[in-house]
Parts: sequence; structure tokens; C-alpha cells
Amino acid sequence: QKEVEQNSGPLSVPEGAIASLNCTYSDRGSQSFFWYRQYSGKSPELIMFIYSNGDKEDGRFTAQLNKASQYVSLLIRDSQPSDSATYLCAVQSSGGSYIPTFGRGTSLIVHP
Amino acid sequence: DTAVSQTPKYLVTQMGNDKSIKCEQNLGHDTMYWYKQDSKKFLKIMFSYNNKELIINETVPNRFSPKSPDKAHLNLHINSLELGDSAVYFCASSRGHNNQPQHFGDGTRLSIL
Repeated sequence: QKEVEQNSGPLSVPEGAIASLNCTYSDRGSQSFFWYRQYSGKSPELIMFIYSNGDKEDGRFTAQLNKASQYVSLLIRDSQPSDSATYLCAVQSSGGSYIPTFGRGTSLIVHP
Repeated sequence: DTAVSQTPKYLVTQMGNDKSIKCEQNLGHDTMYWYKQDSKKFLKIMFSYNNKELIINETVPNRFSPKSPDKAHLNLHINSLELGDSAVYFCASSRGHNNQPQHFGDGTRLSIL
């Protein structure tokens, strides 16, 4: 059973701080990693995706992947109250099964 | 223009009824998905079609039957609805089935009375 684990939170950070969201996965064959943001009552929307070890930056967001340790993280710099949402980590393997597996999400609260 | 659109947005019905949810995407994607998100917000894949061919069929009761008339549409029919079917159902699409990010519809909130 492929698993994706996230701390459910809530993670509370002050406005302007760096929010760090973590995700671990069980399948060593995982090839692609996605972060989605879901506001309450809304649908998930893609924030970042990363395929290779290391960091990938897009604006205030940085995704970090470490395949050896089987974790992927999302850093949000200069956090804003509008970043308050649930962040879902998703992992997908290649080579046979392409089933995307989602974590249960981490609730982030950015307080003014 | 809505990229992935689902109808209806809300569905309230009695136990034992049969209902359908429709999904259409105008992104030109080859792959479409159905997910169920329960009250604890866990997003679980149910089905996936790639170019109208079923490629993912997770352990879902056979009361749920997907149908893809063409690669832009993926509908979900549910027979004999049960209380446990109450959830939000999301349709999604992606360019391909191999390691591509997904675009989600707004969801259909299904409530069984």
C-alpha cells in the first residue's frame, strides 16, 4: 500500500514568516511530486510540481525533494493571510501503475 | 472559460436512488479522473481514463460506473445510493497519465438523506 504522510496541523505562522510544509512517501519508485492548495469549500489547485532532487522555486514558493530520504517539502516565504488553506501533497509513480496518491493535507493558518 | 466543469454542483437525494454526475474538460487533455473527498478531507482516486480507456479502477463498489464517451468527457453514475456515499466528488484532468499535474473541477457535493 503506497502511503503519503503529512502532518494534519494546523500549522500556524505569523504574517511575513516562512511556512514549511512536509510530506513523506513510502514508494521508492515515486517519480513525480505535486503540491496542491485547497481553500475551504473549493477544489485543489496546483501550486508546484517537482521531479528531480533538489530545490525548485516559483515566486514565494519553493519545493524541495529528497528521494533518498523519501520526503518532499514546500516552503512559503513571506506568508500572507491569503495563504491560509490546506496543502495537499501528491505523489505519482511511473512504470506500470500511475495511480496518484494524495496525503491528507496540512492546514496552514497565517495570522496577521 | 471554465477548464474542468462538473454538473451538478450540489446533489441532494434519498438513499437507494440512482444519480449521475457529469464532467467536461476543454483543455485538450487525454486523461481524466474521478476522486472522492470525504468529510475528513481525504482525497481518494476512484477511476481514471486515458483516451477513453479505463486505466485506474480502485477498490470502488460496482454501484459506481464511470463512462467516457470521448476524451473530453467523463461521467460518473451511481446506483442504489448509500449514506456512506455522501462526499464531495471531484473530476480532474491532465495532459497524460504519466506524472502530469492535474486540473480539478469545482466538485459535486453529494448528500444522501
